[in-house]
Amino acid sequence: AQSVTQLGSHVSVSEGALVLLRCNYSSSVPPYLFWYVQYPNQGLQLLLKYTSAATLVKGINGFEAEFKKSETSFHLTKPSAHMSDAAEYFCAVSPSSYKLIFGSGTRLLVRP
Amino acid sequence: GAGVSQSPSNKVTEKGKDVELRCDPISGHTALYWYRQRLGQGLEFLIYFQGNSAPDKSGLPSDRFSAERTGESVSTLTIQRTQQEDSAVYLCASSLSAGGKAGNTIYFGEGSWLTVV
Repeated sequence: AQSVTQLGSHVSVSEGALVLLRCNYSSSVPPYLFWYVQYPNQGLQLLLKYTSAATLVKGINGFEAEFKKSETSFHLTKPSAHMSDAAEYFCAVSPSSYKLIFGSGTRLLVRP
Repeated sequence: GAGVSQSPSNKVTEKGKDVELRCDPISGHTALYWYRQRLGQGLEFLIYFQGNSAPDKSGLPSDRFSAERTGESVSTLTIQRTQQEDSAVYLCASSLSAGGKAGNTIYFGEGSWLTVV
């Protein structure tokens, strides 16, 4: 069965610092991977997705993620954190044509 | 509307009562999903609709949970004889056709917060 693991339920960074949110996946077939963001009192919004076309995927709001098969990872990064990036981030894998399996989420805190 | 709309946004109910949660998907989206998010946990898949049929309802936790969709539009998730462990955020989502691996982006609503006391 496919699954994702997000390391760190909370990550705190200073404004302007690098953001790194970790996601490792488990899959016996080439996975389709996603990052979603959930701002307070809002629904989940798609940040980016990996569908095997390119290992480095660029998303919205300056985020990007790199698919590393050797490490079974799909970590999310942003060079410089902004206060507005404070939110909860979810990594997900799609084992079928419709279902998403989510990680437990990482809450990003941005310190001024 | 522009996005997935859910109602009520908040619901407090007494243990043993039935609740209905409503979802209005994005117009034209044939695929509709229900997920549950318990406090501090990720989202759990509940059920998937394609049109008015539900080819996958494997995530429904028990026979107290049911969902229906009419007119390839509105869906209702019903929880009978609610229990405290049903307290969670129930998220509805929709996509143009099948999402996930099939490629269509899945759009989520803001969720219905259910508290069972």
